[in-house]
Amino acid sequence: AQSVTQLGSHVSVSEGALVLLRCNYSSSVPPYLFWYVQYPNQGLQLLLKYTSAATLVKGINGFEAEFKKSETSFHLTKPSAHMSDAAEYFCAVTVAGGTSYGKLTFGQGTILTVHP
Amino acid sequence: EAQVTQNPRYLITVTGKKLTVTCSQNMNHEYMSWYRQDPGLGLRQIYYSMNVEATDKGDVPEGYKVSRKEKRNFPLILESPSPNQTSLYFCASSLQASGTSTDTQYFGPGTRLTVL
Repeated sequence: AQSVTQLGSHVSVSEGALVLLRCNYSSSVPPYLFWYVQYPNQGLQLLLKYTSAATLVKGINGFEAEFKKSETSFHLTKPSAHMSDAAEYFCAVTVAGGTSYGKLTFGQGTILTVHP
Repeated sequence: EAQVTQNPRYLITVTGKKLTVTCSQNMNHEYMSWYRQDPGLGLRQIYYSMNVEATDKGDVPEGYKVSRKEKRNFPLILESPSPNQTSLYFCASSLQASGTSTDTQYFGPGTRLTVL
């Protein structure tokens, strides 16, 4: 079975600073990885996904993530934080086929706070 | 507009009073799923459906029922709600026609349920 661990339930940065949200996964087969963002009182919105093509994945709103198999990581970064980036971020993993068909396994979430 | 809708958005009920949360998508997606979100636990899958009349249990199905009589609708039924089902519920859908797990899942806005 696959699993995801997000390191740090809360991350605080200043506006303009680098954003780094950490995600490590566990999977016995090649994974597909996703980052979702949840703004207050809204549903989840896909930021980006890794589907075994390029290891560096670019998403919306200037975010990107790099798949590192050797480190089993898929950390989310953004060079310069904006106030509008304040939200909760979820890393998720799934695998092709098997009994986990289509199921996303989510991490615990990381709340990003951006200070002026 | 392509979307997943849920109703109601907020619901307060009492223990044992049957309730249904509706979910509808207008994207002709085959795969639909219900998740619950609890602080510190991320999102956990309750039930999923690969197509009409095909449903299966996720990680936390106890106390819930679902049905998929039409492609667009996937209601979540709590026959006898209990306080431990107080949570934020999300419906999601994806194309998932060919069996790939890389299809993006689109989420509804969420239903906040309180069981007293």
